Parts: sequence; C-alpha cells; structure tokens
Amino acid sequence: DQQVKQNSPSLSVQEGRISILNCDYTNSMFDYFLWYKKYPAEGPTFLISISSIKDKNEDGRFTVFLNKSAKHLSLHIVPSQPGDSAVYFCAASLRGGATNKLIFGTGTLLAVQP
Amino acid sequence: NAGVTQTPKFQVLKTGQSMTLQCAQDMNHEYMSWYRQDPGMGLRLIHYSVGAGITDQGEVPNGYNVSRSTTEDFPLRLLSAAPSQTSVYFCASSRVRTAGGETQYFGPGTRLLVL
Repeated sequence: DQQVKQNSPSLSVQEGRISILNCDYTNSMFDYFLWYKKYPAEGPTFLISISSIKDKNEDGRFTVFLNKSAKHLSLHIVPSQPGDSAVYFCAASLRGGATNKLIFGTGTLLAVQP
Repeated sequence: NAGVTQTPKFQVLKTGQSMTLQCAQDMNHEYMSWYRQDPGMGLRLIHYSVGAGITDQGEVPNGYNVSRSTTEDFPLRLLSAAPSQTSVYFCASSRVRTAGGETQYFGPGTRLLVL
C-alpha cells in the first residue's frame, strides 16, 4: 500500500514557465513533508519541507503548498530553469519518537526545455 | 567535510555471494539509514540506526544485516546475494529529530548487480 503517491512519472516544461509537481498521501499521522531532488548517478538532495501545521512554505523559486483536507501537496518552481531537470521525490515523516523514518513517493522526472 | 560517503560505487555479484556496502559520515549525525531505489518504487527503507549500538528494521529488511559500532560508520551486509537485490543503494544520515522534519543527507549511492 503506497502511502505517498506521485502519479505523474514525468513532466515537461518550457524554461521560464512554472513547474508544478504533485504528491498525494494517505496517512494523516504524517507530520512533515519534504521534497528531494535527484540528478542521475547522485544521491537525493534536500530541497524544501513543510510542517503539517502550515499550508505554504517558500524558498526562493520553490514553494510547497499543503492541502490537508485533500491530503495533497504540490511543489511549484517559478521560473523553471534547465538546471532544474531532475527526478523529484516527495517524502513524508511519521509523527512521534526520535526517528527520522521517511516514506518516499516514486518520483517525477522533470524536464525543463530551453 | 566529505558528508556521506559510500563504497563501492558499483559492484557485480553472483547469486549466493556475500558482500558489505560501506557507509561513513563525518557530520557527527546520530541517525543513519539505508535505502534501496528500484524503478517505479521510489526509495524504500531497509534498516536504520539512531545511535551507536542501536539498529532497527525498516520497510524491506529481509536479506540484509546492519551493525553500528561507531557514530561514523553504518555498513550494510548482504549475506547471500539474490537477483532481487539488484538495485541502487543509498545511505543517509541526519541529526535525531527534535523539532521535526530533519533533513537527511544522502550518499552518492552504490549500484549493485546480482547475476
């Protein structure tokens, strides 16, 4: 049972336009949501996160929106740049304890066309 | 500050062989973990550790062993490799969560092929 879902395996966007990557989850006990970016042959790198008590977090060109009632979050990249082309993973962490277990989605491959 | 390092980068094994994937971090992080990445499956947690001497199972622990004798190192052992263990393996580390949402830092990965 996939608790974190990224239903779009790929997305293609023109340079300068907005990229919107989506993520759905099923477990209401998740307390943090994170986005990681992964280039080929490299490990994932942290991009941005949001607490479950917030509905928006912004960092430069990147904004994450959380809709708890719909159990949905999205990552907006504005403006998109060719260097943003990568696989983006949505991840969620479970509330409670001192562990950092993350549950990842399957990823979305973003291609930004020059 | 090297961050999280993994060796080897690539390995080919025959079914039944054993090997150890190495992971080290120099950030004094208490929490370390191993994930595997397979096509269409995202990253799945294999084992994790919240400090030296403490380990626990993740989502897909079967066929793998871990130990944590030091803060810096967290090796992953395959006792008898199977083709189903062909994957890319990532090690990650972070501080133990206090306020929540601690960033995990990932190594570059080990690509394993089991024939």
